Amino acid sequence: DADVTQTPRNRITKTGKRIMLECSQTKGHDRMYWYRQDPGLGLRLIYYSFDVKDINKGEISDGYSVSRQAQAKFSLSLESAIPNQTALYFCATSPSPGLFSGYTFGSGTRLTVV
Amino acid sequence: GEDVEQSLFLSVREGDSSVINCTYTDSSSTYLYWYKQEPGAGLQLLTYIFSNMDMKQDQRLTVLLNKKDKHLSLRIADTQTGDSAIYFCAEMANNLFFGTGTRLTVIP
Repeated sequence: DADVTQTPRNRITKTGKRIMLECSQTKGHDRMYWYRQDPGLGLRLIYYSFDVKDINKGEISDGYSVSRQAQAKFSLSLESAIPNQTALYFCATSPSPGLFSGYTFGSGTRLTVV
Repeated sequence: GEDVEQSLFLSVREGDSSVINCTYTDSSSTYLYWYKQEPGAGLQLLTYIFSNMDMKQDQRLTVLLNKKDKHLSLRIADTQTGDSAIYFCAEMANNLFFGTGTRLTVIP
């Protein structure tokens, strides 16, 4: 099984709909992240969480919300989807600071908003 | 905020060396990374370099860091068709900030 699992892998939704992307991890890492990838823009950080009670906005949090339900679960919600949120979304995890903090990525969720 | 820049595209012939370049802005970055993304997949950590090093070699991969110019490069020796992918450099500054990615195409 993958260390970081994202569901769904692909999703097409209509403008205005609420949608949730889910992420779960078996790495035992405290830190979890949501990024979106757009062609030519690389990955941009949406939200991150350093532990269950900690939620922080990233570079592009507008239009998104997150929930850290447990150490292993971090979900991303689009309250009212719009077409420019069409992108590839990645969840990632990392261990706490002071250690080499290589991130482990999930395989991504491709979201299309029509 | 942090700004990490890369060229968008690079094409090389199979067997040649590839050099992918990256510039970053945060001089306090402790680690710099190279990630590889194959089609339809997530990002895979290729290698990293600590900021007090200027070179790191790992089999066919050589990372060079010029801290004064804030320039990072990844050299892939004897490039193979399986190396075709998007390569991201990233700097660790509180969180991981990624460059735009360089799409490497290897021509047989």
